[in-house]
Amino acid sequence: DAEITQSPRHKITETGRQVTLACHQTWNHNNMFWYRQDLGHGLRLIHYSYGVHDTNKGEVSDGYSVSRSNTEDLPLTLESAASSQTSVYFCASSEPGLAGYTDTQYFGPGTRLTVL
Amino acid sequence: GENVEQHPSTLSVQEGDSAVIKCTYSDSASNYFPWYKQELGKRPQLIIDIRSNVGEKKDQRIAVTLNKTAKHFSLHITETQPEDSAVYFCAALGGGADGLTFGKGTHLIIQP
Repeated sequence: DAEITQSPRHKITETGRQVTLACHQTWNHNNMFWYRQDLGHGLRLIHYSYGVHDTNKGEVSDGYSVSRSNTEDLPLTLESAASSQTSVYFCASSEPGLAGYTDTQYFGPGTRLTVL
Repeated sequence: GENVEQHPSTLSVQEGDSAVIKCTYSDSASNYFPWYKQELGKRPQLIIDIRSNVGEKKDQRIAVTLNKTAKHFSLHITETQPEDSAVYFCAALGGGADGLTFGKGTHLIIQP
């Protein structure tokens, strides 16, 4: 069955280290998204991509980067991890909908990241 | 950009009663409004969505209404059951197409 996966599911790192979170989907969706979820803030958009080699900044993109070299993967990199980046990270994917940009988004299982 | 406000943050109802969660949005060009349910430690799961050309949509015990003039939309759950206990998020797709903007969530508690 087609699905969306994230790895690792849990990660503990130290301040200043570079961290990469993986997201892989087998639906062949063009659109992929990264969100972070924090208590009291809901889900906030970090970066998104509407196709190979396309990347865009979301609401909370500072300190994060993404690259899209194929349809299936959108890895999220924290260049120099900070304690403020301790969070649960969700990846999502969708096909372009009636709006032409995005439609129903399906979420991965999440990665819990702790920065000490 | 889009801004979505969601109320209440916590809602407690008796099993069998109805629950209503309300959201407002700021971008009049927004055209897609999904609702997600998230159980503790799990991923958000889409439960229902509505587009701007429709005023109401139902799926069994769940319904969503949209008032474009007032820029608000609501989730209605009837005959609530214990398994409805979760956090519910509304979202809107703004006219600028910068991905979904989510409300901060409503913790729905079903009292036995």
